[in-house]
Amino acid sequence: DTEVTQTPKHLVMGMTNKKSLKCEQHMGHRAMYWYKQKAKKPPELMFVYSYEKLSINESVPSRFSPECPNSSLLNLHLHALQPEDSALYLCASSQTDREYEQFFGPGTRLTVL
Amino acid sequence: RKEVEQDPGPFNVPEGATVAFNCTYSNSASQSFFWYRQDCRKEPKLLMSVYSSGNEDGRFTAQLNRASQYISLLIRDSKLSDSATYLCVVNQDGGATNKLIFGTGTLLAVQP
Repeated sequence: DTEVTQTPKHLVMGMTNKKSLKCEQHMGHRAMYWYKQKAKKPPELMFVYSYEKLSINESVPSRFSPECPNSSLLNLHLHALQPEDSALYLCASSQTDREYEQFFGPGTRLTVL
Repeated sequence: RKEVEQDPGPFNVPEGATVAFNCTYSNSASQSFFWYRQDCRKEPKLLMSVYSSGNEDGRFTAQLNRASQYISLLIRDSKLSDSATYLCVVNQDGGATNKLIFGTGTLLAVQP
């Protein structure tokens, strides 16, 4: 199984809502990542979890709050987002944070109204 | 200078053509290099890793020139299904962390 799954596929939320994005992998990978991708731009790294601990936060605003409940799951909690946060949010995983081949999930397309 | 630079294209080529993409990177400490492909509104998918000795996978050949900080991807006998954006990806920190930097991508359109 080389699959990273993400739910939901699409999400529309208002600026006062609280929502969560979910990511799951069953490849035994110990590093997981959140990326943000705007239209016609490359993915930009947001967070890295290594062995369930946050190892990198790329100065992401606190309205994005990541969580890693266990080695297979990664969540991204969203609160008080802005319309400019609308984007494709991609989860990825790799064997460890020293193994460089990252495998991406299909993403959640987020629209903030 | 951008950390990873690619020609955005588009490259419009007929089926069966050979097409080459180039990419340059700025961090000489970078140790790992990849090509990903991304279809419209889909996630990036790993196409191949790039090694110093060069590597080939079917119709795809990747080359790395560390001295010039240059990576290439050659696609032979292009198929319609090769139409996608090709992302050049470089590990930023020389192996210290797994921070990948993506180029802006090169759009390939293979025409029938």
